[in-house]
Amino acid sequence: EAGVAQSPRYKIIEKRQSVAFWCNPISGHATLYWYQQILGQGPKLLIQFQNNGVVDDSQLPKDRFSAERLKGVDSTLKIQPAKLEDSAVYLCASSPQGGRLAGGKETQYFGPGTRLLVL
Amino acid sequence: AQKITQTQPGMFVQEKEAVTLDCTYDTSDPSYGLFWYKQPSSGEMIFLIYQGSYDQQNATEGRYSLNFQKARKSANLVISASQLGDSAMYFCAMREGDSGGYQKVTFGTGTKLQVIP
Repeated sequence: EAGVAQSPRYKIIEKRQSVAFWCNPISGHATLYWYQQILGQGPKLLIQFQNNGVVDDSQLPKDRFSAERLKGVDSTLKIQPAKLEDSAVYLCASSPQGGRLAGGKETQYFGPGTRLLVL
Repeated sequence: AQKITQTQPGMFVQEKEAVTLDCTYDTSDPSYGLFWYKQPSSGEMIFLIYQGSYDQQNATEGRYSLNFQKARKSANLVISASQLGDSAMYFCAMREGDSGGYQKVTFGTGTKLQVIP
């Protein structure tokens, strides 16, 4: 079974530029997550999709960040314009259900991440 | 209040010794789950072990065990017989339900474990 795929793996941009990240979750997984992990910190949830609908984007800086999940499969996360403090690893994860009914030992499966450096 | 607290920024352990990584949590949801992930320097998050709030016994997965003390709201990870490859960041995470019925996962700040030969 293929894991969560992310691209690019690394990106260097200047502040005020735009950048986009792509994520392909594990086939059949209903829930997709984007996390921001700043160096030395734990992952912070930016947005959570259930199929192609957003269930949580409370920590997404909506003035500059946007995300979409078309057809409930792939997802893109965009930053426009980027700031220095956006330098981080952006992790995508997926899980089979993600809803309360899923319960049990449903874990998230993480992609390799995209390392963004904003100069 | 922090949802997940990991009070040890860094830990050292001698190879072949056991080590305990601390995690405390805060939730009012009676149904929740606790996870531990390992993140090597390469960056990927690797699932290690899971404990459900209603599980009667502490979870074990090979050399990993979870010391779950529900009344104290702690879920410490115990790694037995440490190996050099265990050197990594370790994150405690909690899954709880939100008002919409979806699961929310919150991560702690992590503990950097270094295994000394």
